[in-house]
Formats: sequence, C-alpha cells, structure tokens
Amino acid sequence: NAGVTQTPKFQVLKTGQSMTLQCAQDMNHNSMYWYRQDPGMGLRLIYYSASEGTTDKGEVPNGYNVSRLNKREFSLRLESAAPSQTSVYFCASSAGTATNEKLFFGSGTQLSVL
Amino acid sequence: QQQVKQSPQSLIVQKGGISIINCAYENTAFDYFPWYQQFPGKGPALLIAIRPDVSEKKEGRFTISFNKSAKQFSLHIMDSQPGDSATYFCAATDSWGKLQFGAGTQVVVTP
Repeated sequence: NAGVTQTPKFQVLKTGQSMTLQCAQDMNHNSMYWYRQDPGMGLRLIYYSASEGTTDKGEVPNGYNVSRLNKREFSLRLESAAPSQTSVYFCASSAGTATNEKLFFGSGTQLSVL
Repeated sequence: QQQVKQSPQSLIVQKGGISIINCAYENTAFDYFPWYQQFPGKGPALLIAIRPDVSEKKEGRFTISFNKSAKQFSLHIMDSQPGDSATYFCAATDSWGKLQFGAGTQVVVTP
C-alpha cells in the first residue's frame, strides 16, 4: 500500500545546482501532478501529466522541467536552482482528470536552495 | 493571485468546540469544491467535497456549507478533537479538472 512515493525527503542545494525529484505511484493512475507548497500560498501546480506521454504547464512552471517516464513515474527537474525555489514539493496522482477526481499525495520533498 | 480565498490563516479551538473555515471564489466555472486535510510532515488528503447543486454535505463531524449565490463555502468541524489539529485547504475545480487551492488554515485544538 505504498500509494505515491517521493524521493528524496530532504535536499539542500546551492544556487545554480541541478537536481531531479522522483515520484512513483502504484495505483495504476493515469494522471500525475507536481505541486509546490509555500507558507500563505497554499499548493500551486507546477506541471501535470494527464496521461502517459503528455505533460502540460501548470500555474508556476518557470525554472522546472518534467518527464513522464512511464505510467508509474513522473520526475521534476530543476536545471539551475534558485533561492526562490526553496519550498516543499508534492507529487500527486489521480485516476483521471474528471472534475471530481480525488488526488492522492506523496509525503513531500523539503528543498532548500542556499 | 489566488482564485480561492481562504480565512482565517489559523485558529485555536478548545476540545469539543466548533472550528469554522471560510472560502470564497470568483470563477463561476468552478463546479466541484473539495477540502483537503494535511498533518505535519504528510501530504494533503481528501477530507470531504461538495458540488454546487447541494447546499450542505455532512460526513461525521465534518460539514461543508455552500452558498452558490454568494460564491462562498465553509467547513465546520463539530466537537473538535486534538486529533483534528492539522492544516485544512479548501479547493475548487473547474470543468477542465484544474484544481485551485486556498492558502490553508492551521487548526489547533487544545485539550
């Protein structure tokens, strides 16, 4: 019953470094999402993948790239990290993109960029 | 700017009391309104949700009240318990399935 698994749980980067956040789900869901959570801002959508082979920008995509590697895995890459990208990142999945779809979230990655 | 405005930012309630969190929206394309609950160190989890054709939905101690004409909806936690201490996010989904979250409310229930 793993659900949505994110790695790593914590990461500290220096400005300009790159890294990839990994996400995998074992619920055979079609849709996957990356959100960032900042105090007073709620959760904001970075990128999503409605189905395997497709990705689309969300509300705050600048500075990020994504790869839907297969149906299970959806990674988020920071090519050149900036202090403004210090945040908690959540991966989520859902069966589809219908209006009333339930999102299942991972436990998050706390990222600090110095 | 946020399309779903949530208040208050935080609230403290005594055990057994009622916690009330309010949300407002402008976009009339929103047609599904879920609430997510998040415990420290965990991801959010769906708590309860409502469609705009219903004015109230109750699940156990949690109730959503919905006012379509005012474009407002609220979460009531009755008989609040220390285990309810968490951050609560209201959200709204448009017909394209895009979910917009409010800023969150940190609820602390004191024993």
